[in-house]
This record gives sequence, structure tokens and C-alpha cells, in this order.
Amino acid sequence: LAKTTQPISMDSYEGQEVNITCSHNNIATNDYITWYQQFPSQGPRFIIQGYKTKVTNEVASLFIPADRKSSTLSLPRVSLSDTAVYYCLVGGIYGGSQGNLIFGKGTKLSVKP
Amino acid sequence: KAGVTQTPRYLIKTRGQQVTLSCSPISGHRSVSWYQQTPGQGLQFLFEYFSETQRNKGNFPGRFSGRQFSNSRSEMNVSTLELGDSALYLCASSPGGTSVYEQYFGPGTRLTVT
Repeated sequence: LAKTTQPISMDSYEGQEVNITCSHNNIATNDYITWYQQFPSQGPRFIIQGYKTKVTNEVASLFIPADRKSSTLSLPRVSLSDTAVYYCLVGGIYGGSQGNLIFGKGTKLSVKP
Repeated sequence: KAGVTQTPRYLIKTRGQQVTLSCSPISGHRSVSWYQQTPGQGLQFLFEYFSETQRNKGNFPGRFSGRQFSNSRSEMNVSTLELGDSALYLCASSPGGTSVYEQYFGPGTRLTVT
């Protein structure tokens, strides 16, 4: 099974770029990498997903090196409202990682004014 | 479009009892997954249903079961409750059918076992 490892916590200041790295050494060929954001007492919210190289959307970028053993979520110019827990998820429906979806422990990002 | 809804939002049960949680996915979504979230273990995958069939299953004992109806609504059942089953149970839906996994989570059901 492809387990993931993330930093437990990170601190940042408003306006800075934040990069959160997730390690997934045993990622399978069919696995995708997905990042979620979770605020207290709410369900996780999808941020971005990728398979390889770089993916960008309106809120974040996801960098995946060629060996796919890690990935980096990049949040440009964070604000106080970005304070949340960020989860890295590796898995797929068929084939990859025996079908199990593995969430990391999450990274608690604290953005300060 | 209405989001994922879960009922009830809060539940208190006693050890040994059983409980049934309900999840209504986003209209048109055929895949429903269930997760357990605790402070110690984080988010753990329970199982996924697609078109009324269990497609994936996590590493939970047989006391945890689920089903999906023809309208894609899903229920999760936990029998013989234990104190350690106290958790936030989250349901997520997705269109399903492909290996790209973008899920939409509900607000969760907070289960407390006393």
C-alpha cells in the first residue's frame, strides 16, 4: 500500500507562498495524487489532483517529479482563511494500491497576519 | 446543485448497540465512499459503493458494513458498538466510473459511544 508522509504542521504569514511536500515512496503505476483541505467540523474539500509533472488551477499548483515518489502542493499568497489541515491522498479505483485510498496524517497550516 | 447530505449530524449510542448512518450524494453521482475520522488515526477509508456494489474496502472489521440503493443513496451500519468507534463519519460522493478520484464530502455524522 502506498503510504504517505507529510509534515505535521507549518507556519506562514499572509501573502507568502506555501509549499507542502508529501512523500509516497510506494506509489503504484495507476495511482493519482490528490490534495484536500479541511476546516474544523467540516468535511475535506478537493483542491487539486495530478498524475505527473505539474498541474495548476485557480487555487493551487501541484508539482510531481518524474519518479512520482513525492509531490508538492503550492499555495500562492496565502491568507488567514487558508489556515486549515491539508491532506495528501494517493490511490485509485482499480489496480493502484489494491484499491485502498490512503490519506496522510495531514499538515496543519497556520497562517499568521 | 445540492451538496452531499448526511443524517443524522450527531448521534450518541451505548456500547453494544448498533447504528445506521445515511448519506445522500450529489445528484448524478454514482460513487459513495465512507470514511472514519478520529484525532489519533486521522481519515481512514471504510468502503466505496458504485452502482449498488461495494467496489473497494478498507481495513475495518466486519462490524462495519454498508449498502447503496438504486438512487445512489447509501447507508453505513456499525454493529456491536465499541468506545473506539466514537468518531466523525464522513461520506463522499463522486461521479465514479474512472480512475480519477475527485470526491465531494458531506459535513459528517459525529458519533459518540458511551
